[in-house]
Amino acid sequence: QQPVQSPQAVILREGEDAVINCSSSKALYSVHWYRQKHGEAPIFLMILLKGGEQKGHDKISASFNEKKQQSSLYLTASQLSYSGTYFCGTEKPSGNTPLVFGKGTRLSVIA
Amino acid sequence: DTGVSQDPRHKITKRGQNVTFRCDPISEHNRLYWYRQTLGQGPEFLTYFQNEAQLEKSRLLSDRFSAERPKGSFSTLEIQRTEQGDSAMYLCASSLGGFRGGQETQYFGPGTRLLVL
Repeated sequence: QQPVQSPQAVILREGEDAVINCSSSKALYSVHWYRQKHGEAPIFLMILLKGGEQKGHDKISASFNEKKQQSSLYLTASQLSYSGTYFCGTEKPSGNTPLVFGKGTRLSVIA
Repeated sequence: DTGVSQDPRHKITKRGQNVTFRCDPISEHNRLYWYRQTLGQGPEFLTYFQNEAQLEKSRLLSDRFSAERPKGSFSTLEIQRTEQGDSAMYLCASSLGGFRGGQETQYFGPGTRLLVL
């Protein structure tokens, strides 16, 4: 079951904040977040494994609400380098399964 | 560079021809995945290996597609009798996985962009 990401696209000015959501109709084992720039490979950002887990580095963080079967990615004080398409990938409850990716959220940060 | 590498990076072929792509994973990674990505979509799972064993194939993987990982290191993905609908970016990823309860980060290669004319 493909996770649903929202919004589909967002435009920010440098320094603004954004939230990207990823939700599933089925129970999840984990949520993986990636960023992909045009023509490049997806770059790993972080994994969230447990319900309620929160992670972050620099100004990018994420949370995982296992009960609601959703995860959110938070980008604060956005920089031009944050531009790209963000994907969430989910695993089945058994874990150690191939990822099913959402359709992505296109983020554009402008000066 | 010790990341995932893929070859070729670009391939243009005529409909009906066969093509083969290669992926070299991060050394010591036991899992290797193939995904396909079309414009505006996220990567779609095709198949994956744990060492040399092919553990799962997606319904997307028609009979024209075959993948191998003969010695548990590099992998090849072959598409026979290519169709225009096969045009896409083919991504390879590798991980150190299969351990219950452990984190399994998949690292992607740069992809092979296929155009079928």
